[in-house]
Amino acid sequence: GDSVTQMEGPVTLSEEAFLTINCTYTATGYPSLFWYVQYPGEGLQLLLKATKADDKGSNKGFEATYRKETTSFHLEKGSVQVSDSAVYFCALSVNSGNTPLVFGKGTRLSVIA
Amino acid sequence: GAVVSQHPSRVICKSGTSVKIECRSLDFQATTMFWYRQFPKQSLMLMATSNEGSKATYEQGVEKDKFLINHASLTLSTLTVTSAHPEDSSFYICSATPPGAHYGYTFGSGTRLTVV
Repeated sequence: GDSVTQMEGPVTLSEEAFLTINCTYTATGYPSLFWYVQYPGEGLQLLLKATKADDKGSNKGFEATYRKETTSFHLEKGSVQVSDSAVYFCALSVNSGNTPLVFGKGTRLSVIA
Repeated sequence: GAVVSQHPSRVICKSGTSVKIECRSLDFQATTMFWYRQFPKQSLMLMATSNEGSKATYEQGVEKDKFLINHASLTLSTLTVTSAHPEDSSFYICSATPPGAHYGYTFGSGTRLTVV
């Protein structure tokens, strides 16, 4: 079945450090790929998405490129801030809207000033 | 656009009572909504798929008689935890997406249920 494997944390970085959170997927068909962020005590917010190969999603300084050849969608940010501390989830959808997202296990990021 | 509102955000109830959680799509119609449960420091676990006008589809291991789902309109799905027990304490989150679009799924803000 479809699955998402992402780097397990926790990840602790100093402010202004470079961030990479790895995410790979297995899917039948051509999935859309997403990164969601969850701040403490809150629901999930869509951070960025990509719907086809070579698409780059970007938002708030975060980027991820849909790599079909490596079945990957790694999340990157050049300079993290304390406010980026949260849990990040990689997810995929094969049939948008009608089937639930398939989530990775989540990666907890802590950024220290 | 694509806002999902979930209420209440927190609820404390006594063991044996029932609790209803509402999930509303504010600016779109959702024929399908999803209910998740999240344990501390873990990922989301899909509980059920809520279908407007028909019965919900439950994931394996989820008790349909304990977690009653009703999706009576295109903008509202409810999850009722019946005869709640302390082990039902958890974070419950709903999700929906505008049909026919790749907007990404929108999530409610979640409900923290504590059963005492």
